[in-house]
Amino acid sequence: SSELTQDPAVSVALGQTVRITCQGDSLRDYYVSWYQQKPGQAPTLVIYAKTNRPSGIPHRFSGSSSGDTASLTISGAQAEDEADYYCNSRDSSGDHVIFGGGTKLTVL
Amino acid sequence: EVQLVESGGGLVQPGGSLRLSCAASGFIFRSYWMSWVRQAPGKGLEWVASIKEDGSQKNYVDSVMGRFTISRDNARNSLYLQMNSLRAEDTAIYYCTRDIVLATAIWFDYWGQGTLVTVPS
Repeated sequence: SSELTQDPAVSVALGQTVRITCQGDSLRDYYVSWYQQKPGQAPTLVIYAKTNRPSGIPHRFSGSSSGDTASLTISGAQAEDEADYYCNSRDSSGDHVIFGGGTKLTVL
Repeated sequence: EVQLVESGGGLVQPGGSLRLSCAASGFIFRSYWMSWVRQAPGKGLEWVASIKEDGSQKNYVDSVMGRFTISRDNARNSLYLQMNSLRAEDTAIYYCTRDIVLATAIWFDYWGQGTLVTVPS
């Protein structure tokens, strides 16, 4: 099997830009998606298929990927962006799904 | 409006069984892959199982293979997870998800609110 690695915690000053990364071999073959989870709530999709933003997700959220590393960028972070963020993709076999361990974002 | 409502969680002794259900509405259920994703207390997300639109293909994480069975009833717009031989490490919130599946990607565009399964150690 394969895995996705995320930094456990990241912080950003209010209004600044922050990048959350996700690294794994499967990202060379499969697109990544990103989820936001606030305490006590179900996750919400914020980026799908590497760069696409679902309707209703603010434009300050963007995604990119190169090689085995994908990034979620929040440009002008807001207080309400404080949450856990998870990446996911298919694993190397293609039949299973994997998640990163999650990154806790703190907005200072 | 897409809605996914899970039910069936609860406290069960080690070795016991539980059946989770997910009632779907607001979309054409039979046209989508569906999955279960779980989250242990204070931990990250873990994919558990997925089922194809017509139920002809099912995939499982290794840790539940042979113990859990995912199924669906397209006539009832419902997804199920039969969980047998439960262990303490199966304790988690179980989320029902609607999936978008491509050859090069899979993502979960809608999530239910989850149902808690507790297996004491």
